[in-house]
Amino acid sequence: RKEVEQDPGPFNVPEGATVAFNCTYSNSASQSFFWYRQDCRKEPKLLMSVYSSGNEDGRFTAQLNRASQYISLLIRDSKLSDSATYLCAVNSGNFNKFYFGSGTKLNVKP
Amino acid sequence: NAGVTQTPKFQVLKTGQSMTLQCAQDMNHEYMSWYRQDPGMGLRLIHYSVGAGITDQGEVPNGYNVSRSTTEDFPLRLLSAAPSQTSVYFCASSFPGGGYNEQFFGPGTRLTVL
Repeated sequence: RKEVEQDPGPFNVPEGATVAFNCTYSNSASQSFFWYRQDCRKEPKLLMSVYSSGNEDGRFTAQLNRASQYISLLIRDSKLSDSATYLCAVNSGNFNKFYFGSGTKLNVKP
Repeated sequence: NAGVTQTPKFQVLKTGQSMTLQCAQDMNHEYMSWYRQDPGMGLRLIHYSVGAGITDQGEVPNGYNVSRSTTEDFPLRLLSAAPSQTSVYFCASSFPGGGYNEQFFGPGTRLTVL
């Protein structure tokens, strides 16, 4: 079983739509959680960390559900510029050992 | 600051050849990692280091060696390239912090093994 699993998509949504991605993880001892954004043929860049209480950054909201072992990312009012692949990352308590999902591709259309 | 730099950007090897992918960071990060990214597989950890002189294996270490003689540099060596090592390789660095700190990625090296 993979450590981290994501729906690969693609999610094709119109501008202005709200879209949500989930990411499940297998190790209940996992301690820290992140969402990264990756543009085509570029390196991943941190979008936001995911805190136990949930956190929001503008149009982006991240949630953690430890009981069901998943994290989510909600994007409101989608922009064309949000088109990218979104990767979740989980650190399973081994300080520098991160596990990444395979990414969810988002296409925002005019 | 240049951040995390990787060279070369592109490389084509023949089966059996060896080479070293270079990675350097100027942010004084103690933690550095190497990942490979294949279609549909996401990023997979090859090797990582928590400081100069200290390295450890990740998920897919076979066929790769690393060393960390300085804080700044973390080269990845392919001992005898195989077509299965065709991939995009990313180096990343971060401050220590029990895994709570953001990783900064280099621009990647696209490697093709024929």
